Amino acid sequence: GENVEQHPSTLSVQEGDSAVIKCTYSDSASNYFPWYKQELGKRPQLIIDIRSNVGEKKDQRIAVTLNKTAKHFSLHITETQPEDSAVYFCAAMLDYKLSFGAGTTVTVRA
Amino acid sequence: DVKVTQSSRYLVKRTGEKVFLECVQDMDHENMFWYRQDPGLGLRLIYFSYDVKMKEKGDIPEGYSVSREKKERFSLILESASTNQTSMYLCATLWDRANEKLFFGSGTQLSVL
Repeated sequence: GENVEQHPSTLSVQEGDSAVIKCTYSDSASNYFPWYKQELGKRPQLIIDIRSNVGEKKDQRIAVTLNKTAKHFSLHITETQPEDSAVYFCAAMLDYKLSFGAGTTVTVRA
Repeated sequence: DVKVTQSSRYLVKRTGEKVFLECVQDMDHENMFWYRQDPGLGLRLIYFSYDVKMKEKGDIPEGYSVSREKKERFSLILESASTNQTSMYLCATLWDRANEKLFFGSGTQLSVL
């Protein structure tokens, strides 16, 4: 099956700075890469996704990049705000099954 | 809005008990999944189902079974609960194979004492 590794496990940033989370995957056949945000006590919510035929995608302050050759993808959050504090999960889809990274706890300091 | 409903938010059971976790979706999605979430381990796939009466093992199926008698309902069964099955359990549905977005239920925090 697919193996997804995610780094760092925790990330503390000053409000207004950028945050970057990186993930690698093992199976080159994986073709869909979503990112989920989970606030304390809530369900994971999809925030952005990218397909294997696209290199970069942006939605307001968040962007995702994908390097298929290196099998890694990254989440970039610019101008961080306190409401960006949460756990973020990357995932990779293979044969319609999603495998998740271990998660990154992001804390935005005011 | 997609609705994925898990019957219990919190559940406390004894070691050796048989435990049923229920998940119901209202959008006629074919694909349903059970994950468990543990700190530092992320979400791990236990079982999934692509259709009624169809089931496939995920990455950590040991100690679990599932049932999908109707399209809208996917049940996770712990045949004999053990303390290492204390965890948050999340049900999810997949819109369809052309639109891979996964929708999660609100989760069941299971404690096995």
